[in-house]
Amino acid sequence: EPEVTQTPSHQVTQMGQEVILRCVPISNHLYFYWYRQILGQKVEFLVSFYNNEISEKSEIFDDQFSVERPDGSNFTLKIRSTKLEDSAMYFCASSGGQGSGQPQHFGDGTRLSIL
Amino acid sequence: GDSVTQMEGPVTLSEEAFLTINCTYTATGYPSLFWYVQYPGEGLQLLLKATKADDKGSNKGFEATYRKETTSFHLEKGSVQVSDSAVYFCAVRGSNFGNEKLTFGTGTRLTIIP
Repeated sequence: EPEVTQTPSHQVTQMGQEVILRCVPISNHLYFYWYRQILGQKVEFLVSFYNNEISEKSEIFDDQFSVERPDGSNFTLKIRSTKLEDSAMYFCASSGGQGSGQPQHFGDGTRLSIL
Repeated sequence: GDSVTQMEGPVTLSEEAFLTINCTYTATGYPSLFWYVQYPGEGLQLLLKATKADDKGSNKGFEATYRKETTSFHLEKGSVQVSDSAVYFCAVRGSNFGNEKLTFGTGTRLTIIP
């Protein structure tokens, strides 16, 4: 069964450094998402992306965050200057279409640890 | 905005016990409802979904019925197994065009003891 893959599985970065989290969505999907889960808290929406532009973003997704689909397969999340509070599990998801019934398929996540 | 209230955990049950994890939601229009499961060390996996009132989603012995009148989507299983130990997340997805994000509950950690 096709799956969403994320790399790396664990990223350790010094505070203030830039970090790029990578995702390969399911190949025929058109809609892409990033979520995060701070340890012990709920999964929170960050951003959705379609047709090479952001569809929606949450208040968490400030100017330090950006997303990009640099080629036909990858979908990246960049954090320009990391803060301690960015430490979390970051999940990428994709779906085949809009419409409330379309499920989102999630990757296994990247654990980001900011020192 | 949309919100999900989920039964607080952790929940510990003996094998073959009956499971209910409560979930209620607030959302405008006609949202879709989902249960996701997260096994230790893994990502979120779709367990089941329902897209309209009175729909019943089912998978792996789990069931949940979309109850619009009570805005609920409770997860049930008649006889749990040790392998069902995981964290379960209820989620709502709005029906408005462009409003496609999932809003999750806090998750319920389930432990099944043999």
